[in-house]
Amino acid sequence: EAGVTQFPSHSVIEKGQTVTLRCDPISGHDNLYWYRRVMGKEIKFLLHFVKESKQDESGMPNNRFLAERTGGTYSTLKVQPAELEDSGVYFCASSRRDRNTEAFFGQGTRLTVV
Amino acid sequence: AQKITQTQPGMFVQEKEAVTLDCTYDTSDPSYGLFWYKQPSSGEMIFLIYQGSYDQQNATEGRYSLNFQKARKSANLVISASQLGDSAMYFCAMREGRYNQGGKLIFGQGTELSVKP
Repeated sequence: EAGVTQFPSHSVIEKGQTVTLRCDPISGHDNLYWYRRVMGKEIKFLLHFVKESKQDESGMPNNRFLAERTGGTYSTLKVQPAELEDSGVYFCASSRRDRNTEAFFGQGTRLTVV
Repeated sequence: AQKITQTQPGMFVQEKEAVTLDCTYDTSDPSYGLFWYKQPSSGEMIFLIYQGSYDQQNATEGRYSLNFQKARKSANLVISASQLGDSAMYFCAMREGRYNQGGKLIFGQGTELSVKP
């Protein structure tokens, strides 16, 4: 069984540009989460999808961040326009809807805004 | 407010010895779950172990065990017989709500474990 997959693994962009991160959850996992870790700080929740619906987006920092999960499969997180403080590692995680005793993470996307 | 605290920024342990990584939490929800993750230098987050608030016994997974002390609100990770490959960052996390409810994880600051040969 394939794990959670994230693309790209690294991205370096200039301030003001747009970047789109992608997450492919484990097949059959209805729950999909986005988190990020800004350098040296804690891992922070961004938002939670159940299938294609946004269950909780309380962690989204501002309206420069847009997450989608069309069809309830993969998800994208777009940052537009990117700012320096958006630099960090963005993680995606997924879990089964009926079994939240596990939550599996992808390898993360390291975003650097210069 | 829900909170996870890991007070040990860094830990050293001799190979083959046991080590305990501390984690305390704060929540007013009687239903919650506690997770431990390992993040090696390669960056991926590896799920290690889970403990539910209503679980009567401490969780164990191979060399990992969770010392769950509910009254003290602590969920320490014990790694037995440390190996060089255990060197990594370790995160404690909590989710409020019952096991069959989705919900965000709240993470601690992490503990960097170094295993000495």
